[in-house]
Amino acid sequence: GAGVSQTPSNKVTEKGKYVELRCDPISGHTALYWYRQSLGQGPEFLIYFQGTGAADDSGLPNDRFFAVRPEGSVSTLKIQRTERGDSAVYLCASSRKQVAYNEQFFGPGTRLTVL
Amino acid sequence: AQTVTQSQPEMSVQEAETVTLSCTYDTSESDYYLFWYKQPPSRQMILVIRQEAYKQQNATENRFSVNFQKAAKSFSLKISDSQLGDAAMYFCAYRSVSGNEKLTFGTGTRLTIIP
Repeated sequence: GAGVSQTPSNKVTEKGKYVELRCDPISGHTALYWYRQSLGQGPEFLIYFQGTGAADDSGLPNDRFFAVRPEGSVSTLKIQRTERGDSAVYLCASSRKQVAYNEQFFGPGTRLTVL
Repeated sequence: AQTVTQSQPEMSVQEAETVTLSCTYDTSESDYYLFWYKQPPSRQMILVIRQEAYKQQNATENRFSVNFQKAAKSFSLKISDSQLGDAAMYFCAYRSVSGNEKLTFGTGTRLTIIP
């Protein structure tokens, strides 16, 4: 079956612009996670959705970052007034969250470059 | 808060030989999961192996095995019979049993396979 997909694969924008990054989870997966991976680092947690609601957004760095998942499937990460420090790979993962252990399946990420 | 430390930024191994990647972590929890993920240049994180903290037996998946030392908070990955396709970044990760199940990653080890 299809895995987690993310679009666009790469995004180049200018400082101060607004960007949207999209994640399509595996069908039937109720849990969705966003991570940010800066150059030379491991992924860092941003936000977790269970269904339509953001169950934990403690990883969002500031109020320029916002994410939605209106129908409990596709999610969009939105970044306002982008800064050069926002340049990173943004990874999305999904899991079933119906059993004791739930493997997170990752997408290929979106590489965001802010000039 | 939990932390994960990988002290080897880079490792290399001859093809068909064995290599061990190190990972230490810090937590006050008694039950948790530990993981090793592989990230090839395609950026997609792939689960290599998982260990439940309550299990004393070390996990094994084909050529991949772990040495889990709970008291020492150490979790190393051994790759036997290294193959060219094993070349990638390897990340150690921690996850609580309860809560939002977010993953906490180390900074990674870049593994090079020498033909």
